[in-house]
Amino acid sequence: ELKVEQNPLFLSMQEGKNYTIYCNYSTTSDRLYWYRQDPGKSLESLFVLLSNGAVKQEGRLMASLDTKARLSTLHITAAVHDLSATYFCAVDPSDDYKLSFGAGTTVTVRA
Amino acid sequence: DSGVTQTPKHLITATGQRVTLRCSPRSGDLSVYWYQQSLDQGLQFLIQYYNGEERAKGNILERFSAQQFPDLHSELNLSSLELGDSALYFCASVGGFNYGYTFGSGTRLTVV
Repeated sequence: ELKVEQNPLFLSMQEGKNYTIYCNYSTTSDRLYWYRQDPGKSLESLFVLLSNGAVKQEGRLMASLDTKARLSTLHITAAVHDLSATYFCAVDPSDDYKLSFGAGTTVTVRA
Repeated sequence: DSGVTQTPKHLITATGQRVTLRCSPRSGDLSVYWYQQSLDQGLQFLIQYYNGEERAKGNILERFSAQQFPDLHSELNLSSLELGDSALYFCASVGGFNYGYTFGSGTRLTVV
């Protein structure tokens, strides 16, 4: 059974500092997705990573994928309050869009 | 607006009842995926339809069923509802693997 593990599950960030969220998965996959969810809201696509070594950046967020290590990271640079949300990684091991999600990392940014 | 439309946004019903959740995918997308998000189980894939046909099943209970109609909208039917069925139900469509899913706004189901 595919396992997708995120850590940490809760992350209290100080404004202006840098942090990393890790996503490990247990089976081979070349497709990994990152989503953001605000409380009670839908999931917003952040990044689509489709190959080993893929790196994507948008604003203060940067995601990378190492398929050999079965690891993706979401790096947050100079955290700001607007980044407070829950971040999910999801893996598509069969290339058929049946995504397996991690448990999510709830991020709170404090002044 | 993501282009994936879900109705209703909120639903409160009693145990033992049956409800129907509706989803319209983005224009041009043929697939609909249903997911359940609950506090204890997280995000779980339920079922996928492609152009009217069931393509894949995940952790969907026998009390739950779905279908996709010729106009590509989909309905998720939940019957004999239990308190544990209370959750957010999302549908999503896919425009191509480069883009991943686009999720609808969800239906929050509360069973009392």
